[in-house]
Amino acid sequence: EDQVTQSPEALRLQEGESSSLNCSYTVSGLRGLFWYRQDPGKGPEFLFTLYSAGEEKEKERLKATLTKKESFLHITAPKPEDSATYLCAVQVGLFSGKLIFGQGTTLQVKP
Amino acid sequence: NAGVTQTPKFRILKIGQSMTLQCTQDMNHNYMYWYRQDPGMGLKLIYYSVGAGITDKGEVPNGYNVSRSTTEDFPLRLELAAPSQTSVYFCASRPGAGASNQPQHFGDGTRLSIL
Repeated sequence: EDQVTQSPEALRLQEGESSSLNCSYTVSGLRGLFWYRQDPGKGPEFLFTLYSAGEEKEKERLKATLTKKESFLHITAPKPEDSATYLCAVQVGLFSGKLIFGQGTTLQVKP
Repeated sequence: NAGVTQTPKFRILKIGQSMTLQCTQDMNHNYMYWYRQDPGMGLKLIYYSVGAGITDKGEVPNGYNVSRSTTEDFPLRLELAAPSQTSVYFCASRPGAGASNQPQHFGDGTRLSIL
């Protein structure tokens, strides 16, 4: 069964304290791994797509990496505005584009 | 561009009532999706469509129906509302099979409570 698991469920950081979020997956055929950011009361906002092991993507203080079994979202020197829920999703349908989502990691960055 | 627009933003229903959640996109995307998100859970796929006139079930389709008569619109119908359908519903779209690695773009959701 295709499955995506994120850890930790919640993370509290002080401003400037770097850390990583984990997304582990078990799928029959990986078509792509996506990271989204979700603010309260809003829909998920796209951050990154990763396709193959060893691939890395960066955007401001965020860096996403991918291995054969998991992905990490590294947050360097976070700011309070980075507080949000981060969702990981795996595409399992090449033509349908169907996604399997993890349950998310809620990040709180305190000033 | 407005992107993906969902209406209404909030709704309270009584058990047994029916309603339609509206979703429209102005990006000329072929693919559209409906998800539900329960507290502490990831998004679960309800139905999806690969183009006008074509729909298919996702992980949790029971109690819902969809139709796709135009590229822009993908309404979700609840026929007999049940408390288990209390959730936040998200609609998403993405370009077609020729760009199969493109991300999905989401609306801001409809918050539905069934009492």
